[in-house]
Amino acid sequence: AQTVTQSQPEMSVQEAETVTLSCTYDTSESDYYLFWYKQPPSRQMILVIRQEAYKQQNATENRFSVNFQKAAKSFSLKISDSQLGDAAMYFCAYRSAFRNNDMRFGAGTRLTVKP
Amino acid sequence: EPEVTQTPSHQVTQMGQEVILRCVPISNHLYFYWYRQILGQKVEFLVSFYNNEISEKSEIFDDQFSVERPDGSNFTLKIRSTKLEDSAMYFCASQAGLNEKLFFGSGTQLSVL
Repeated sequence: AQTVTQSQPEMSVQEAETVTLSCTYDTSESDYYLFWYKQPPSRQMILVIRQEAYKQQNATENRFSVNFQKAAKSFSLKISDSQLGDAAMYFCAYRSAFRNNDMRFGAGTRLTVKP
Repeated sequence: EPEVTQTPSHQVTQMGQEVILRCVPISNHLYFYWYRQILGQKVEFLVSFYNNEISEKSEIFDDQFSVERPDGSNFTLKIRSTKLEDSAMYFCASQAGLNEKLFFGSGTQLSVL
């Protein structure tokens, strides 16, 4: 079964600095999707960024980028120029390209942004 | 951007009562999901729904749970006899097609007393 591991329960970053959140996953499948979701105190799940495993190029969305290392099964999220509004829980998630129905989430990393 | 709408935002019920959580997926979407998140824990998959039937369900989704798409717009999750451990945030999600972006609703916080 696929598992997603986030080894950092909490992280903090100074406003305007850069922070990297770690995620590793375990799978035997060759094609899949990886996601980072942000969950602010409102508890809404907001998609931050998505990576398709067959694409070698790392996905970027404005200040958010990923470092996707397929062989190492690592998928870290880098937030540049951190803003106070970035403070939230961040969940890494995996979804198979073959079995689309089941998205697996990591346990989450709580990010604090210090002014 | 289109939104998945969930009502109510907060539901309080007594143990043993039935609850129905409601979701309005995005109108042209074909795939529908329910997830739950117990406070402080990870988000867990419950069930997926396509073409008017359940396509997959997790071990959490036992006989106490059911889903329905009674009309062309609503997608409901029913818990027949709630237990204390059903207290969680329940998220509905929808998707236009396989491998398309998954849109989450803002969740319904269910509190079972």
